[in-house]
Amino acid sequence: EELLVESGGGLVHPGGSLRLSCAASGFTFSNYWMHWVRQAPGKGLEWVSRISTDGTTTNSADSVRGRFIILRDNSKNSLYVHMSSLRVEDTALYFCARSLTPGQDYHGMDVWGQGTTVTVSS
Amino acid sequence: DIQLTQSPSSLSASVGDRLTITCRTSQNIFTYLNWYQHKPGQAPKLLIHSSSGLQSGVPSRFSGSGSGTDFTLTISSLQPEDFATYYCQQSYGAPQTFGQGTRLEIK
Repeated sequence: EELLVESGGGLVHPGGSLRLSCAASGFTFSNYWMHWVRQAPGKGLEWVSRISTDGTTTNSADSVRGRFIILRDNSKNSLYVHMSSLRVEDTALYFCARSLTPGQDYHGMDVWGQGTTVTVSS
Repeated sequence: DIQLTQSPSSLSASVGDRLTITCRTSQNIFTYLNWYQHKPGQAPKLLIHSSSGLQSGVPSRFSGSGSGTDFTLTISSLQPEDFATYYCQQSYGAPQTFGQGTRLEIK
């Protein structure tokens, strides 16, 4: 079974930092682009960031650019996002997700984790 | 950034109804448009990829169409398990973006 399991969420003060992790299993992790998507309380889905199969290409939403860094370790089948300068508006459920097609990222995301909750509050 | 506008934002429907949700993009994205179903407490589920590609395991009552800037998701005969929020998402340009969602409720 193809699985993604997020961890690392928690309560952090504004201006603080946090690292989320996503452990992949059941598929060849290194063949797929990977994403982070979030949902703030009562809001819709917001795409956050993506990373290429080898980690050399990354893109991020305007709202997090310069504050969030997406990384991957293919030897550990793991995806990460380092979040810094956190704001109250970063409070959300964070999902990691896999691109549908190996080697490319044009066809949506077909495997999702259950999410990990980040709360930014003083 | 490419903006996606879904309509309606919410609707009420009955089991057996046929319904259509539309998604309009701020620029031409060819057919790089995907649709998701999201229920509370669950992970989002990919329904349609590349505008009209039915994702494996998704019932055939779901269909998608469109190209350029105008896209539609159609559910031919609503089932009780279809009441959820639906999102379109473009995978043409980075940053990728989602529509604001369409909440489907039971009438």
